[in-house]
Amino acid sequence: NAGVTQTPKFRVLKTGQSMTLLCAQDMNHEYMYWYRQDPGMGLRLIHYSVGEGTTAKGEVPDGYNVSRLKKQNFLLGLESAAPSQTSVYFCASSGPGREYFGPGTRLTVT
Amino acid sequence: TQLLEQSPQFLSIQEGENLTVYCNSSSVFSSLQWYRQEPGEGPVLLVTVVTGGEVKKLKRLTFQFGDARKDSSLHITAAQTGDTGLYLCAPRSGAGSYQLTFGKGTKLSVIP
Repeated sequence: NAGVTQTPKFRVLKTGQSMTLLCAQDMNHEYMYWYRQDPGMGLRLIHYSVGEGTTAKGEVPDGYNVSRLKKQNFLLGLESAAPSQTSVYFCASSGPGREYFGPGTRLTVT
Repeated sequence: TQLLEQSPQFLSIQEGENLTVYCNSSSVFSSLQWYRQEPGEGPVLLVTVVTGGEVKKLKRLTFQFGDARKDSSLHITAAQTGDTGLYLCAPRSGAGSYQLTFGKGTKLSVIP
């Protein structure tokens, strides 16, 4: 039981490049989330999903897209990366009464 | 829009000291969770408090939910270096609330 895993762990992008962050969970959870964490800003919700095939916007969705084609996977896409998207990205899935977080992806956009 | 404040933002103490951190809001919550995040890792749930006035203990950590369910505190007795980390509170607004809102956290450093 691996819990929540994220790939990659680190990535450096140039402005304008695109990439996809992958989140996978093996706990059969319906709800999954993408957060970003910046110094002094705490965790802010980007997008979330309440089930396979569904997605919804969170607090800071601009510049990101998501897809939940399979229940166990939640993908976060950056179509045209900007320096403001430099951050640590956390994926989470929600079980009864609690959230489980992945180890994070550190993204730098130059 | 709910305002969620955690204080202090930073706290540095000597091993063995006691400390309290706070989570305050202008809104009433159905429940509230405390997480600890260690450097380079994701947050890990410590406790969920549900009832106004509730007190929960987890070894040296004592969590309290305010009577009005608008605030919470975390007290650590005899802090250890292993308590170092970012402490985040995350209230829930009610049933069917899918979104978890986090405070900005209290960064605790326990010095040997």
